Amino acid sequence: TQTVSQSDAHVTVFEGDSVELRCNYSYGGSIYLSWYIQHHGRGLQFLLKYYSGNPVVQGVNGFEAEFSKSDSSFHLRKASVHWSDSAVYFCAVSPGGSNAKLTFGKGTKLSVKS
Amino acid sequence: GGIITQTPKFLIGQEGQKLTLKCQQNFNHDTMYWYRQDSGKGLRLIYYSITENDLQKGDLSEGYDASREKKSSFSLTVTSAQKNEMAVFLCASSMGGGNTEVFFGKGTRLTVV
Repeated sequence: TQTVSQSDAHVTVFEGDSVELRCNYSYGGSIYLSWYIQHHGRGLQFLLKYYSGNPVVQGVNGFEAEFSKSDSSFHLRKASVHWSDSAVYFCAVSPGGSNAKLTFGKGTKLSVKS
Repeated sequence: GGIITQTPKFLIGQEGQKLTLKCQQNFNHDTMYWYRQDSGKGLRLIYYSITENDLQKGDLSEGYDASREKKSSFSLTVTSAQKNEMAVFLCASSMGGGNTEVFFGKGTRLTVV
């Protein structure tokens, strides 16, 4: 069974800073990885995903994530954050192929101070 | 674009009561999910369904039943509400498989008194 771990429950940065939100997973086979964002009081929205190819994937609003098989990681990054990026970010994993079971991490709350 | 509609938005129940949450999607998606969101615990998968009349248990299925009688709808039943329970239940859908974007509803907030 797949598992996903987000080691930081809360990250605080200043506007204009860069940020990296960490995600580590465990699963024995091929895997799909994705990130979702949840603004306060709202539903989750898709940011980006990875399955194969270029390990660095680009998402919306300047977010990108890098897959590392050796580290079993899929960290999310942004070079310069804006106050509107304050939200909870969830990493998610699912097995490759037609298996649709999607497992989420506990989330990292990003607070951006102005 | 499509939409996922969850009803009711707020649900107050009594201890031991059987409670049903409903979810409708008009994306024509094959796969639907029910998650429970608790503060500090992220999203935990309760049930999912890859097609009409299919049910797959998630990691938190004990204490819940689910039903997928139509492709567009997926209902979740709390078989016996626990006193002081408070959580948000999120319904989601996708085209299918693991490599597709998942769309979420706005949630049903459950409070058990």
